[in-house]
Amino acid sequence: AQKVTQAQTEISVVEKEDVTLDCVYETRDTTYYLFWYKQPPSGELVFLIRRNSFDEQNEISGRYSWNFQKSTSSFNFTITASQVVDSAVYFCALDNFNKFYFGSGTKLNVKP
Amino acid sequence: NAGVTQTPKFQVLKTGQSMTLQCAQDMNHEYMSWYRQDPGMGLRLIHYSVGAGITDQGEVPNGYNVSRSTTEDFPLRLLSAAPSQTSVYFCASRVTGEGNTIYFGEGSWLTVV
Repeated sequence: AQKVTQAQTEISVVEKEDVTLDCVYETRDTTYYLFWYKQPPSGELVFLIRRNSFDEQNEISGRYSWNFQKSTSSFNFTITASQVVDSAVYFCALDNFNKFYFGSGTKLNVKP
Repeated sequence: NAGVTQTPKFQVLKTGQSMTLQCAQDMNHEYMSWYRQDPGMGLRLIHYSVGAGITDQGEVPNGYNVSRSTTEDFPLRLLSAAPSQTSVYFCASRVTGEGNTIYFGEGSWLTVV
């Protein structure tokens, strides 16, 4: 069975703090893809990153970084020096063939 | 480039009424899908299609019908709306193939009273 767990329902930080959003997934497949999406208060879903199961290199994009560890089935997302504009709900998702399995999301509140 | 377009954006239905949520994409994507988003549950797949004439069920298909007569359009039909179908609905599309980025519409807020 495929499953994505985001145990942190809501996180509040003060601007400029670093924050890590956790994502743990379950799949029996050896080939799969993982995604992170951002949903700001306006409601749209914004693609952030895609990672395949054969690429365990960490990735950094500006203030965002992702840590993929196959051994622990985790794909965590870190925002460095958070900003108020980072306030949103963040979803981790597992792409299995033609179906996307989403976690329940983590709501991030960044206070000025 | 409009991307994925959903209509209507907001709708209130009475229990038992029927309606169709429209979804169109102009990216020539073969794969299209519908999700519902409920508080605390993330997005759940309702139905998907890998091309014109081909549809299949996702996690939560009951109460919904779909058809795919063209590459561009993928409407979602509620035949007899129930309060449990109150949700935010997202249509999405992508180039067929695992791992390709999926693009979402802006969402449709549906309330069934």
